[in-house]
Amino acid sequence: AQSVTQPDIHITVSEGASLELRCNYSYGATPYLFWYVQSPGQGLQLLLKYFSGDTLVQGIKGFEAEFKRSQSSFNLRKPSVHWSDAAEYFCAVGEMEYGNKLVFGAGTILRVKS
Amino acid sequence: KAGVTQTPRYLIKTRGQQVTLSCSPISGHRSVSWYQQTPGQGLQFLFEYFSETQRNKGNFPGRFSGRQFSNSRSEMNVSTLELGDSALYLCASADRTRGEQYFGPGTRLTVT
Repeated sequence: AQSVTQPDIHITVSEGASLELRCNYSYGATPYLFWYVQSPGQGLQLLLKYFSGDTLVQGIKGFEAEFKRSQSSFNLRKPSVHWSDAAEYFCAVGEMEYGNKLVFGAGTILRVKS
Repeated sequence: KAGVTQTPRYLIKTRGQQVTLSCSPISGHRSVSWYQQTPGQGLQFLFEYFSETQRNKGNFPGRFSGRQFSNSRSEMNVSTLELGDSALYLCASADRTRGEQYFGPGTRLTVT
């Protein structure tokens, strides 16, 4: 079965510092990969996606992610974190053979220190 | 374009009752998926509807059901509510298979 692992439950970074959130997946075929962000009490907002092609993908709010097939990873990065980035971040892999189904990681809660 | 809308936003029900949640997808989107989010189990896929047909189903009991109408709006129903059904229920829509999904704000269901 497909699975997604986000090894860090909580991460704290200082405002202005760089950020990297880790994501590893288990999937037999070419994966469809996503990063979503959720603020408290809100739904999920799509940050970026990887379907194919260039392994470095750019998203909204200055985020980027790199797909590394050899490491089964899709880590999310941001060069300079803002206080408004504090939220929970979810990595997901799409099981797309029979439709649209996302398998999510457990999430990483980001706290930003001022 | 308006985003995905879900109604109601908050709901309190008693054990044994049933509940119906509604989701209106982004205009033009024919795929609607439902997810349950709880602190213990995280985000779990319930089912997906595409052009009024259930195309995929997660590992949930038969008490959880859904349907999709010709205008792509979708409803999910939970019968015989249990305390463990308390969760945030999220709906997502996509314009095609293998497309990115856009989520609504969710319905917070509390079962007492």
